[in-house]
Amino acid sequence: KNQVEQSPQSLIILEGKNCTLQCNYTVSPFSNLRWYKQDTGRGPVSLTIMTFSENTKSNGRYTATLDADTKQSSLHITASQLSDSASYICVVPKGAGTYKYIFGTGTRLKVLA
Amino acid sequence: NAGVTQTPKFQVLKTGQSMTLQCAQDMNHEYMSWYRQDPGMGLRLIHYSVGAGITDQGEVPNGYNVSRSTTEDFPLRLLSAAPSQTSVYFCASSITGDRGYTFGSGTRLTVV
Repeated sequence: KNQVEQSPQSLIILEGKNCTLQCNYTVSPFSNLRWYKQDTGRGPVSLTIMTFSENTKSNGRYTATLDADTKQSSLHITASQLSDSASYICVVPKGAGTYKYIFGTGTRLKVLA
Repeated sequence: NAGVTQTPKFQVLKTGQSMTLQCAQDMNHEYMSWYRQDPGMGLRLIHYSVGAGITDQGEVPNGYNVSRSTTEDFPLRLLSAAPSQTSVYFCASSITGDRGYTFGSGTRLTVV
């Protein structure tokens, strides 16, 4: 069964600290994986997309990694800020060439001053 | 740069009522879709469209209708609202279905 599982479900950290969010998927065949940030009351916003051949991709303080062999991805946030408080969602297409996606349930991050 | 605009932002319906959730995008995106987001669940695809005049069902289409008469607009119709349709609804668009989405800000619907 195609699945996308994220951990932890929620996370609280102090401002300035780093954190890592995990995403495990069982979708096959695999083409790409996306990370979205969703602020409370807003729609998701794309942070990065990882294709099969990419291991690491950065977007400012956000760094995504992908291990296609173990079917795992992580999102590392460096020097967290209060504005990083949001849900982070991992998304994988159901298969190659499909317009249908599997969304993880997200990790809810809270950054405290 | 409006992006994807959804209206209304909030709506309360009585069971059995019908309504239309509006979605418009000004980026000339061919691909548009509707999702619902429920607590503890990932976003689920209701309906999608790959271009004007073309629509197809997602994984949870029952109780919803869509049409795509123009590239810009993709309204979602609730035919007879049920409490199970209480959710947050997101419209999204993309240049193509395999590129990153631009999401609207959502419509929070409560059916009583």
